[in-house]
Amino acid sequence: GAGVSQSPSNKVTEKGKDVELRCDPISGHTALYWYRQSLGQGLEFLIYFQGNSAPDKSGLPSDRFSAERTGGSVSTLTIQRTQQEDSAVYLCASRGGLGKVRAPLHFGNGTRLTVT
Amino acid sequence: DQQVKQNSPSLSVQEGRISILNCDYTNSMFDYFLWYKKYPAEGPTFLISISSIKDKNEDGRFTVFLNKSAKHLSLHIVPSQPGDSAVYFCAASEETSGSRLTFGEGTQLTVNP
Repeated sequence: GAGVSQSPSNKVTEKGKDVELRCDPISGHTALYWYRQSLGQGLEFLIYFQGNSAPDKSGLPSDRFSAERTGGSVSTLTIQRTQQEDSAVYLCASRGGLGKVRAPLHFGNGTRLTVT
Repeated sequence: DQQVKQNSPSLSVQEGRISILNCDYTNSMFDYFLWYKKYPAEGPTFLISISSIKDKNEDGRFTVFLNKSAKHLSLHIVPSQPGDSAVYFCAASEETSGSRLTFGEGTQLTVNP
């Protein structure tokens, strides 16, 4: 597709369960970001992948959160033992190659996670 | 520590008038600034950007102003249209951060016909 694709668009889970959120970036984009937006808040940085470099995980709020990017393309954000405070919209974004370090991010429509 | 702040959660203007959205930042290392627009149930979309070497950038109805000494930027939309109604996010980055963007809380703009 032409844009960043995220699935599922909505996810309701029970507290304590694990969830996986998927992101398909724009083809050829080497940089991939995960952000989340809690109700009434701005976008909070979670993790950043750039090519084959080690990811920047400095935004992950706890060790229950992890992310992978396989083959330099699709990324999965995993939240283990979900808590109610994890409820938020999780947004994925991608950006073009190293030569375009200041190019804007292209966002997907997000996954709305609700932990009951 | 909120490094990018948008102090107005909402703004309402009449169609045809100017909309001015404001943003303040605290990190003096920020050297690139962007505005994103977000409609409900959609991801943010890029609107306009400005480098710290400039104080103004214009694109059609949208102009961004940067005042580095005050660590303040603003987005002007003129004339405002009902389709401009959305949440506007200010974002900033520094060269050493891998272009990670730090976002403000957003301002809900409503343009009334």
